[in-house]
Amino acid sequence: GAVVSQHPSRVICKSGTSVKIECRSLDFQATTMFWYRQFPKQSLMLMATSNEGSKATYEQGVEKDKFLINHASLTLSTLTVTSAHPEDSSFYICSARAKGGPGNTIYFGEGSWLTVV
Amino acid sequence: KQEVTQIPAALSVPEGENLVLNCSFTDSAIYNLQWFRQDPGKGLTSLLLIQSSQREQTSGRLNASLDKSSGRSTLYIAASQPGDSATYLCAVSTGGFKTIFGAGTRLFVKA
Repeated sequence: GAVVSQHPSRVICKSGTSVKIECRSLDFQATTMFWYRQFPKQSLMLMATSNEGSKATYEQGVEKDKFLINHASLTLSTLTVTSAHPEDSSFYICSARAKGGPGNTIYFGEGSWLTVV
Repeated sequence: KQEVTQIPAALSVPEGENLVLNCSFTDSAIYNLQWFRQDPGKGLTSLLLIQSSQREQTSGRLNASLDKSSGRSTLYIAASQPGDSATYLCAVSTGGFKTIFGAGTRLFVKA
């Protein structure tokens, strides 16, 4: 079946630095990828939608300059947390919609845990 | 605006018990509904995916049903085991293929 890979699965970075999380569709082309964030003991919330070759669409309240999303190819989207702060520590997960795939199936990565110290 | 609610928020049962987790959503215009499992400090594992045209899906001891018209889904876990202890998330795929998640049910199965 379709697989979406996220890397790294776990990362620790220092406050003020930037960290990049990759989301790859391994055996299909993804026209659209989505990025979600999970706050402690809360549900996963959509941050942004990215379409290959175009700018990401951010949900209300998400800082686009802080969470840079690039969808440079049909198999790769990246989320860069810039100038990270401890409050950015969270679980981030991506999903991908297959191009020409079976209707409406979205495939999820396993997620990435970010800790900012 | 689509909202997904999961009841109960937490559940503790003895090993071997059959249990039901509930999920409700406010807008029946969904593409599909998915149940996930999340272990503490780990990622998401997809358990079952039900397309909007389907009524249920089964995988091993898990059975998920979908009643789109009433905005409800249930996840049935048979003969629960301590290894089933985790948070179970319900999620619906909506317009634009965005996914709306419930807050989850934290399950603890006692040995």
